[in-house]
Amino acid sequence: DAKTTQPPSMDCAEGRAANLPCNHSTISGNEYVYWYRQIHSQGPQYIIHGLKNNETNEMASLIITEDRKSSTLILPHATLRDTAVYYCIVRPFSGGYQKVTFGTGTKLQVIP
Amino acid sequence: DTEVTQTPKHLVMGMTNKKSLKCEQHMGHRAMYWYKQKAKKPPELMFVYSYEKLSINESVPSRFSPECPNSSLLNLHLHALQPEDSALYLCASRGLAGTGELFFGEGSRLTVL
Repeated sequence: DAKTTQPPSMDCAEGRAANLPCNHSTISGNEYVYWYRQIHSQGPQYIIHGLKNNETNEMASLIITEDRKSSTLILPHATLRDTAVYYCIVRPFSGGYQKVTFGTGTKLQVIP
Repeated sequence: DTEVTQTPKHLVMGMTNKKSLKCEQHMGHRAMYWYKQKAKKPPELMFVYSYEKLSINESVPSRFSPECPNSSLLNLHLHALQPEDSALYLCASRGLAGTGELFFGEGSRLTVL
């Protein structure tokens, strides 16, 4: 799996958009970008994934640069419940027994 | 049912004890994972099972012994653990179609005395 680099921590005011960057400059053509978050002491939760087009779901938007070497997860209106560690993972989409390894992630603190 | 259920939620054991962690899912997922997570660190991959066969062992010490008796169940047998093995143990499953996301359980918090 390609390596990812994320800032260790970020703050965001409640109600504002939170933009979390991820660098994955060694990404391969068949690798997708996945985002998960982990709220304190809970299991990680899937947020969104994409290959090269921007994606949006009910939780977030994912913007992937044209060269696919970086991406940004956007939480459009952050709430206190969005305080968590956010992990960006790069891996092939399919494959029965592939590794899924986590980087160090970004600790997002949403401030009232 | 989109849940991965892990039991027990908390476990305290001595270094000479034998215990097991259990993970169950009924989503028909054929890939299942064990992760270990220390405080303030990311989850660290331990084992991957695919179609009930061990596919990946990340050089985990033999005092951790995984078992996948059927497609819904994953166990982690623990024996002669050390205090540094105290951690949150996370189980996850993944379907081989669909979005390819991992579904995680809430974890079993293990304390080794």
